[in-house]
Amino acid sequence: AQKITQTQPGMFVQEKEAVTLDCTYDTSDQSYGLFWYKQPSSGEMIFLIYQGSYDEQNATEGRYSLNFQKARKSANLVISASQLGDSAMYFCAMREANFGNEKLTFGTGTRLTIIP
Amino acid sequence: DSGVTQTPKHLITATGQRVTLRCSPRSGDLSVYWYQQSLDQGLQFLIQYYNGEERAKGNILERFSAQQFPDLHSELNLSSLELGDSALYFCASSVGDGRAADTQYFGPGTRLTVL
Repeated sequence: AQKITQTQPGMFVQEKEAVTLDCTYDTSDQSYGLFWYKQPSSGEMIFLIYQGSYDEQNATEGRYSLNFQKARKSANLVISASQLGDSAMYFCAMREANFGNEKLTFGTGTRLTIIP
Repeated sequence: DSGVTQTPKHLITATGQRVTLRCSPRSGDLSVYWYQQSLDQGLQFLIQYYNGEERAKGNILERFSAQQFPDLHSELNLSSLELGDSALYFCASSVGDGRAADTQYFGPGTRLTVL
C-alpha cells in the first residue's frame, strides 16, 4: 500500500530564506508520480510541482524545486527566496500509474509560516 | 483558478439531513475525484468517476453516493448526515489517462457543517 510521511508538522522560516519541506514515501510500484500541493488559509488546494519516478532530473517550477532521491524514497520540496505569501499548509502526495488506482495518497502536511 | 468549480462553497445543515455537492471539471478532463478533508482523518479519497462511470472507490461510506453526468459534471450525495461528516469536500479533475503524470486539479471545496 502507498504511504506518504511528512515529519514536520510546522516550520517557521525567515522571509527570503530557502526552506526544505520533507516527504518520504513507500510504494512497491516502479511507476508512480509525486506531487506537492499548497493549501493557504482560504482552503483551496493549489498544485505546485510534479516528479515522475522515471524522471532523471529533479523537477523545477519557478521558485519551487523537488529534491528527488529515489533510493531513499524521498521527495523534498525546496522553496527558494521565501515570501510572506508562501505561508500555508503543504501536502506531499503520490499516485500510481495504472487505471483503477489513480487516487492521490496524501501526507499529513506541514504548516509553513514565513516570518517578516 | 484551477478551472474546477464547486458549489456551494459553504453548507450548514442538521443531523439526519441529505445534501448534494456539485462539481464541474476542467474543460477536457474526463476524470472526477472526490476527497474529504477533516481534522482527524486528513485528506481521504472517496471515489473516482471517468467519463460517466465509476472507476475507483476509496473510504466512502454507504450513506454517501456520487455520479457523473453526460456533461461530465459530478454530484456527491451525502445522506443521514452525522456530526462527524463535517469536513471540507474537494472535487478534483484530470485527463484520466492513467499516467503517473496525470495531474489532479482541485476545486475550491465545499465546507460542510453538520449541526
